[in-house]
Amino acid sequence: QSALTQPASVSGSPGQSITISCTGTSNDVGDYDYVSWFQQHPGKAPKLMIYDVTNRPPGVSSRFSGSKSGHTASLTISGLQSEDEADYYCSSYTSSTTLVFGGGTKLTVL
Amino acid sequence: QLQLQESGPGLVKPSETLSLTCTVSGGPITSSGHYWGWIRQPPGKGLEWIGSIYHSGGTYSNPSLKSRVVISVDTSKKEFSLKLSSATAADTAVYYCVRQDLQLQIDYWGQGTLVTVSS
Repeated sequence: QSALTQPASVSGSPGQSITISCTGTSNDVGDYDYVSWFQQHPGKAPKLMIYDVTNRPPGVSSRFSGSKSGHTASLTISGLQSEDEADYYCSSYTSSTTLVFGGGTKLTVL
Repeated sequence: QLQLQESGPGLVKPSETLSLTCTVSGGPITSSGHYWGWIRQPPGKGLEWIGSIYHSGGTYSNPSLKSRVVISVDTSKKEFSLKLSSATAADTAVYYCVRQDLQLQIDYWGQGTLVTVSS
């Protein structure tokens, strides 16, 4: 199975909005609304930020939102804050009953 | 609050079997709506799904690792385990145990444990 495609890095200034894309195929992102997004700070375990493409778990800031169009899912962070600086990973359920991750995106808050 | 804790050797010799156990606390391991899985992350690299198991024993595995992976569950001990045979340096990673829904989406993570494959 091939990894989902994410940009290696994105950056933004405090207060701005950024979007991270996650591109798959008709065997995963394109055919299922089971896309999740995770935030990972250095040396820490990943944290679930978005599931089922658009849903936020309890306790996750409303500044984080998810969407999907065709084979590409997106994570948008609005009102960027310094603590948002981290690595972000997407994942998707696949038609082979497997889980595939994106390669990860490093977010830098300028 | 559900908690997952990985345990096992931090150093494994090449060609030997990497073995880890995950202990579940704060919730049932026999939940009908969840799988239990293993994820790994080589140093400085991204996340990789290894495989998942249902409390009844049914499993799914990453095709690239399937021939070397055995995942088992012991519901009486509230534990599930990973065995990865014929380990090489490429298997050096932080290994996480996780809880997943029926579409394999992860909602809980263990803290992770570093396993180094080296002689």
